Amino acid sequence: IHMAQSPASLPASVGDRVTITCRASQSINKYLHWYQQKPGKAPKLLIYAASSLHAGVPSRFSGGGSGTDFTLTISSLQPEDFATYYCQQSYITPFTFGGGTKVEIK
Amino acid sequence: EIQLVESGGDLVQPGGSLRLSCAASGFTFSSYAMSWVRQAPGKGLQWVSSISGSAGSAYSADSVKGRFTISRDNSKNTLYLQMTSLRAEDTAVYYCAKEMGLSAGSGTQGFEVWGQGTMVTVSS
Repeated sequence: IHMAQSPASLPASVGDRVTITCRASQSINKYLHWYQQKPGKAPKLLIYAASSLHAGVPSRFSGGGSGTDFTLTISSLQPEDFATYYCQQSYITPFTFGGGTKVEIK
Repeated sequence: EIQLVESGGDLVQPGGSLRLSCAASGFTFSSYAMSWVRQAPGKGLQWVSSISGSAGSAYSADSVKGRFTISRDNSKNTLYLQMTSLRAEDTAVYYCAKEMGLSAGSGTQGFEVWGQGTMVTVSS
């Protein structure tokens, strides 16, 4: 299953509402997860099962969608949110990731 | 606190072998599936392999099938990745990751906790 993530780069400012999109090449129900990765660090799980917030993740992060189209929204971008975000499907092996979205300072 | 600590990464020649380890602590290791995910320098994430909590089932990416073997020793709380016939394109940081349930493969709920990674470089 191919995961198409957009945009690849997202210039934004602190306080902005940002939305990242992930589209699967076939239906994956709600087996879609979002990760945040900062340079030189391991990824961290933000959202699992499309819309469930992982423990300890701030509520400004939210996920939505099902089937083939999914979104990750940050309601008010904070300085610590500048990072690269990846979606991943676990509907079927081989598990696949999107290409990543780098949220950068505008 | 859940901790995953990878080790075993190294510089190895093409065609060589390497075994990665991931020492787990802070949770009941045998109750959770575990996975390996890699990231080539400057690139995105790529799933490598997963194994169920009981080690009864395992899955691997086509790119490593027949060359890499995932295993675990639940008595030692340790996950392994045996890598053989290494190629330049296997050069990456290898992360171990804890899954959210016992089962591996289709229908799981993402990689809940990740280790810090270990670097594997395949070059002559």
